[in-house]
Amino acid sequence: ETGVTQTPRHLVMGMTNKKSLKCEQHLGHNAMYWYKQSAKKPLELMFVYSLEERVENNSVPSRFSPECPNSSHLFLHLHTLQPEDSALYLCASSQGFQDRSGNTIYFGEGSWLTVV
Amino acid sequence: AQKVTQAQTEISVVEKEDVTLDCVYETRDTTYYLFWYKQPPSGELVFLIRRNSFDEQNEISGRYSWNFQKSTSSFNFTITASQVVDSAVYFCALSEDKAAGNKLTFGGGTRVLVKP
Repeated sequence: ETGVTQTPRHLVMGMTNKKSLKCEQHLGHNAMYWYKQSAKKPLELMFVYSLEERVENNSVPSRFSPECPNSSHLFLHLHTLQPEDSALYLCASSQGFQDRSGNTIYFGEGSWLTVV
Repeated sequence: AQKVTQAQTEISVVEKEDVTLDCVYETRDTTYYLFWYKQPPSGELVFLIRRNSFDEQNEISGRYSWNFQKSTSSFNFTITASQVVDSAVYFCALSEDKAAGNKLTFGGGTRVLVKP
């Protein structure tokens, strides 16, 4: 059983829809991440939150909007997406972000998103 | 900037054969961390190992072993006596010891197919 859970596991949405991906970590970590994995590119870091503050926004289009209400939960709000946004979205968490110690990042099972 | 290269895109073996996955990295940092993750068809990235740049000791964990060669900037991974359950995509990743902390740069992944 993974310490990072993501819902939904599969999502199909139209280009005009608004949906959200949810992530919850049960590991007591204080940093959370969104990664994107598409068929044509390597795993890409999208956002990083440390202690509920966004510390990294990797040039992600505004149609992706993250939210981190507390250190255990992370959302990715989606609106007016494009078909090329279809991908696997992976949430992850880690401990000790502030001490720069290269702590291990643990991933969830991902949410498979298809934009039609 | 950091970079991770996994030259093998796909490897196919018959069960019980050994398989070695290559990983070559580039970084300007003297302190960095290397990781291997396994991604089965379900999508989750499963953490396998973390190694810091000051520890060149090779490691063995069951059928898995890792060979870290700092002189050649390589961190290769060997599966001994492969099993069908080892079929997955394997990613090598690098994290640098910078203020931003814990950001992983992934290689393109190597798909391993173990045939019965």
